[in-house]
Amino acid sequence: GAVVSQHPSRVICKSGTSVKIECRSLDFQATTMFWYRQFPKQSLMLMATSNEGSKATYEQGVEKDKFLINHASLTLSTLTVTSAHPEDSSFYICSARMRGNEQFFGPGTRLTVL
Amino acid sequence: GQQLNQSPQSMFIQEGEDVSMNCTSSSIFNTWLWYKQDPGEGPVLLIALYKAGELTSNGRLTAQFGITRKDSFLNISASIPSDVGIYFCAGPAGGTSYGKLTFGQGTILTVHP
Repeated sequence: GAVVSQHPSRVICKSGTSVKIECRSLDFQATTMFWYRQFPKQSLMLMATSNEGSKATYEQGVEKDKFLINHASLTLSTLTVTSAHPEDSSFYICSARMRGNEQFFGPGTRLTVL
Repeated sequence: GQQLNQSPQSMFIQEGEDVSMNCTSSSIFNTWLWYKQDPGEGPVLLIALYKAGELTSNGRLTAQFGITRKDSFLNISASIPSDVGIYFCAGPAGGTSYGKLTFGQGTILTVHP
C-alpha cells in the first residue's frame, strides 16, 4: 500500500512553454498532497500544500501564478509550471499524506528547460 | 520555524560496517520520520517513530525517538552496497500534526564494496 505515482518522469521543453506534472495516490485517498523541489545533493524544498477541493497553500517565495496547483480529486494533484525558463529546471517531487504525519513520495519528475 | 540539524553530512564506509546518523531539533517533535532517497528517485519511508524513547527496527535499520523529543538517530548494521543513497530525517513543521514536514539536510552514504 501507499503507492504514489508521478507522470511524466522526465520532460524536456523549450523556454516559454508550460509543463504539467501529475501526482496520483494509487491505493489510498489523500486529502493533502505536497509539492517539493530539489536541487542536486540538497534537501527537499516544500513549494506548496495541495488540499482537495480548495486552493493550494504556497510557501514564502513561491510564485503561485507560475506554479499552478490543482487538486481535483482525492487521488490526483497536478502542478503546472507556466512559461517555464531554464532556471525552473529541477527535480520536482510530490507526496501524499496518508495518516498522521507520514508522507509517501512519488518517484519525481526531472524537468529540463532549454 | 522548525530547524533540523542532521549529521554527518556524508559518510564513506566499507561494506559490512555499521552506520549511525542523527538529527536534532530546536524544539520538541511528536513524530520522527526517516527516509532514504536513491539517485533520481523520490524518498522512501524507512521508519516512523511516534513515542519518546521508542526504538523501532526495520531489517538492518534501527531508529530511536530521543527521550527529550528533540532528537532521533538511525543505525544501519552490516552495510551493503545497496544502502548507498541520501538519508533524511523529518518531523512535523511547527510541531503540529497538520501534515507539513521539516527535513534535515540529509546524510549522503557511500558504501565501498
